[in-house]
Amino acid sequence: QKEVEQDPGPLSVPEGAIVSLNCTYSNSAFQYFMWYRQYSRKGPELLMYTYSSGNKEDGRFTAQVDKSSKYISLFIRDSQPSDSATYLCAMSAGTTDSWGKLQFGAGTQVVVTP
Amino acid sequence: EAQVTQNPRYLITVTGKKLTVTCSQNMNHEYMSWYRQDPGLGLRQIYYSMNVEVTDKGDVPEGYKVSRKEKRNFPLILESPSPNQTSLYFCASSGGNADTQYFGPGTRLTVL
Repeated sequence: QKEVEQDPGPLSVPEGAIVSLNCTYSNSAFQYFMWYRQYSRKGPELLMYTYSSGNKEDGRFTAQVDKSSKYISLFIRDSQPSDSATYLCAMSAGTTDSWGKLQFGAGTQVVVTP
Repeated sequence: EAQVTQNPRYLITVTGKKLTVTCSQNMNHEYMSWYRQDPGLGLRQIYYSMNVEVTDKGDVPEGYKVSRKEKRNFPLILESPSPNQTSLYFCASSGGNADTQYFGPGTRLTVL
């Protein structure tokens, strides 16, 4: 069983809708939770990260972490066609050797239709 | 500008012909990694390095070699490529915290 599970989608939403993405994990040692966005034929780029439990907001993006449930979420408000991409979650225990071995989810493909 | 560069971006080769994919970063990062990305399998780590001359296997190291002789460079070597190594390869670097994770643009490799 993978340490990080993520539904691959695709997830199709109309423009302006809220996009809801999530990952579950099994390793209770994870402390840092990251979300990457990957456009087609491009490398992943870091969107935002959260340390431990709680919420973090950055513009239209909100990341939530519930460590008790081992569940993290990313919400995209007022979605735009330019948000169409694959979104990957990644996790790290934050120890010295863990930064070279991030654990990634499989990625969820999101399509925002005009 | 913070950057991870990879070369070549596209490569078509034949079985058994040794090849090297270069990776370079300009951020003085300690950590560098190689991943392959395949449909339905997501990103899988091949090798990673915590510093110069320190490398370790990731989840799928078979058929690959790496070296880290300089901090900025982390080449990926396929000594005898096979068709099952056809994939999209990404190099990544990290400064050892959550907001310094950078990926390269990717190298699409086809082995015939």
